[in-house]
Amino acid sequence: EVQLVESGGGLVQPGGSLRLSCAASGFTFSSYSINWVRQAPGKGLEWVSYISSSSSTIYYADSVKGRFTISRDNAKNSLYLQMNSLRDEDTAVYYCARLHSSGYYSLFDFWGQGTLVTVSS
Amino acid sequence: DIQMTQSPSSLSASVGDRVTITCRASQSISSYLNWYQQKPGKAPKLLIYAASSLQSGVPSRFSGSGSGTDFTLTISSLQPEDFATYYCQQSYSSPRGFTFGPGTKVDIK
Repeated sequence: EVQLVESGGGLVQPGGSLRLSCAASGFTFSSYSINWVRQAPGKGLEWVSYISSSSSTIYYADSVKGRFTISRDNAKNSLYLQMNSLRDEDTAVYYCARLHSSGYYSLFDFWGQGTLVTVSS
Repeated sequence: DIQMTQSPSSLSASVGDRVTITCRASQSISSYLNWYQQKPGKAPKLLIYAASSLQSGVPSRFSGSGSGTDFTLTISSLQPEDFATYYCQQSYSSPRGFTFGPGTKVDIK
């Protein structure tokens, strides 16, 4: 059974840092690209970042570029999101989501349960 | 950047109703359009990919259509478990970006 389990969320002050983790199981982690997606309270979904299976390709949304860093450790079946210079507007539930793609589609087929990050003084 | 819009933003419907949700892209995205369902406190769940392909395990009352800039998600006969928020997502820009629509909340009339 494919599972993605996020952790590391919590309360942090504006300007602070936090590191999220996503532990994967039930599939060959090193074969898949993974994304972070967030959802502010009562709001819609926002794509945050992408990392390829080998970490060779990384992309960020403009809203987090220069402040967030995505990484992975295939030996540990784990994905990370280092979040620095946090702002109030970064408050959200953060999900990791597996990307499944071919020449005809790209989709997020499995999601974690999410971890809540609250940025507040 | 590709922008996604959805209409309506919310709707009220009864069990058994036929429900249609529309999604529009700011530029042509071919058929690189996915639909997700999200219930309160839960992660999104993939329903439809490539505009019209039903994800494995998803009931056949869900269907998708469209290409280019205009897409629709149809629930042929609304069931109690279908009350949720529905999001479209473009993957034309993959992997540089994956824009979601603002969502359509379906609740009980």
